[in-house]
Amino acid sequence: KQEVTQIPAALSVPEGENLVLNCSFTDSAIYNLQWFRQDPGKGLTSLLLIQSSQREQTSGRLNASLDKSSGRSTLYIAASQPGDSATYLCAVRRSRDDKIIFGKGTRLHILP
Amino acid sequence: DTGVSQDPRHKITKRGQNVTFRCDPISEHNRLYWYRQTLGQGPEFLTYFQNEAQLEKSRLLSDRFSAERPKGSFSTLEIQRTEQGDSAMYLCASSSWDSGGRTIYFGEGSWLTVV
Repeated sequence: KQEVTQIPAALSVPEGENLVLNCSFTDSAIYNLQWFRQDPGKGLTSLLLIQSSQREQTSGRLNASLDKSSGRSTLYIAASQPGDSATYLCAVRRSRDDKIIFGKGTRLHILP
Repeated sequence: DTGVSQDPRHKITKRGQNVTFRCDPISEHNRLYWYRQTLGQGPEFLTYFQNEAQLEKSRLLSDRFSAERPKGSFSTLEIQRTEQGDSAMYLCASSSWDSGGRTIYFGEGSWLTVV
């Protein structure tokens, strides 16, 4: 059974700091891993997708890495801004049946 | 391409009533997923489709829940005899099975409040 864990559950940091969000998964048989952002009461916005054969993806101030063998991914946010405040969710797509399993998310608060 | 759309966005219903949510996926996406999300939790898998075929329904779902995708395009999620525990946001998502790296795209969700 695939389980996805995100640590920490919540994080508050001053504006301008660099930060790392962690995601771990128990079954390495994944097709890809995707990071999402969710604002309160809204749907999910895709940030980065990493295929199982890739090690990292970058978009602007965001960098996501994937170590499939150890079942870990990190989302690095550089020079954080108050507008980055949101919940960040990690999801893995299982190879065998294409189901997508989510972690519970990390609630991020950037202090102005 | 207008993205994934869901309707209604908000629904308040009395306990015991039936409700139906509709999802229109991105055109030509053959995979469609339904998730449920409660406050402070990640999305919980409910069911998914490949075209019109329902591939799996979560064991967490009671028989009061049913989903269809009759022509392989839009999908409906019906909840019969609603209970207060059904209050949640219901999220729909779509992706292509064989292109785009299987990126999944979500709609804005449908909020259900059972009173």
